[in-house]
Amino acid sequence: AQSVTQPDIHITVSEGASLELRCNYSYGATPYLFWYVQSPGQGLQLLLKYFSGDTLVQGIKGFEAEFKRSQSSFNLRKPSVHWSDAAEYFCAVGGQGGNKLTFGTGTQLKVEL
Amino acid sequence: GAVVSQHPSRVICKSGTSVKIECRSLDFQATTMFWYRQFPKKSLMLMATSNEGSKATYEQGVEKDKFLINHASLTLSTLTVTSAHPEDSSFYICSCGGPVGELFFGEGSRLTVL
Repeated sequence: AQSVTQPDIHITVSEGASLELRCNYSYGATPYLFWYVQSPGQGLQLLLKYFSGDTLVQGIKGFEAEFKRSQSSFNLRKPSVHWSDAAEYFCAVGGQGGNKLTFGTGTQLKVEL
Repeated sequence: GAVVSQHPSRVICKSGTSVKIECRSLDFQATTMFWYRQFPKKSLMLMATSNEGSKATYEQGVEKDKFLINHASLTLSTLTVTSAHPEDSSFYICSCGGPVGELFFGEGSRLTVL
């Protein structure tokens, strides 16, 4: 069975500081990995995805994530956080083309001005 | 990314009534759509996979007679919460599958059952 663990429920960073959100996954085959962002009362927006190739993937809004197979991790990073980045972030794992994703429990990001 | 639209964004109903939520893919044809439910401070729970022209596939523990799904066309799937009760109050989100396994989500529908 596939699963995703996001160990940090809440993270608070100062505006301009760097950010790393952790994600660990369990999947029996080659995983397809995703990060989504959700603002309050809204749907989810895809930030970035990994399915093959370069293990460092770039996404929208200045985010990037690195796939580390040996650690079963897919951590999300941003060099300098903006106040508008405050939101809920979800990591998800799925299989090739299947679209059936399993989501982590999310990390709530707060940005201090 | 693909554009997925949900309607209504918010709905309040009385206990015992039924509520229909629509999910439309605006710029592509979706043979498969997915319905998720999100509880406060919780992750998304996949309820069912909606298949165009055939019956939906429900996840374990989801009552198919309570949550009716219809996927009558390649751009529209509907979720009907039948005989709604307060415990059905939640945020329901639909999604459509992309070419490499990603999901594109609608804006979500907040259901409140009084």
